[in-house]
Amino acid sequence: GESVGLHLPTLSVQEGDNSIINCAYSNSASDYFIWYKQESGKGPQFIIDIRSNMDKRQGQRVTVLLNKTVKHLSLQIAATQPGDSAVYFCAEKKNTGNQFYFGTGTSLTVIP
Amino acid sequence: DSGVTQTPKHLITATGQRVTLRCSPRSGDLSVYWYQQSLDQGLQFLIQYYNGEERAKGNILERFSAQQFPDLHSELNLSSLELGDSALYFCASSVGGGRAEDTQYFGPGTRLTVL
Repeated sequence: GESVGLHLPTLSVQEGDNSIINCAYSNSASDYFIWYKQESGKGPQFIIDIRSNMDKRQGQRVTVLLNKTVKHLSLQIAATQPGDSAVYFCAEKKNTGNQFYFGTGTSLTVIP
Repeated sequence: DSGVTQTPKHLITATGQRVTLRCSPRSGDLSVYWYQQSLDQGLQFLIQYYNGEERAKGNILERFSAQQFPDLHSELNLSSLELGDSALYFCASSVGGGRAEDTQYFGPGTRLTVL
């Protein structure tokens, strides 16, 4: 079955540094990917998405990179702030299906 | 605030009992999705409804059921509860029926504790 996993369960970065959160996926048929941020006690919040026909997409302070050759997705956060501390999930979906498959999440801690 | 509301926020019940969780989607959204999030686990997709009809089913137990009403709110019914059902239950909604770029917006969740 589909498998979405994360390389690191926890990540600590200094405030102001850039953060990189990685995600591996196993289903080569997946063609849509999303990063969600989940703060303690809250529901997941959409951050950024990317389709499989792209290899990079930028948002405000965030960039998602997609490497289909090695089935790897990453989320880059520039100038990380304390408010970025949260659990980050990647999720994948096939265009033919409705189901998102989520990874277990990476916990990002920003050190002031 | 995503615009998706869920009630109750917390629910404590005993094994063997039955509970109902409620979700109201964002205004204009036709799809509702239910997810279970256990401790240290990712989000597990349970079921999706689109405009009142079941659209997709994930790892939903037979003891669980859901429905979407004409006003598009949805309820998730959990019966014969077991200790292992203790989890966060999230509802999400989207505009369409789940095509690739149909972003899902999540509610704040219901924390279910089964004692």
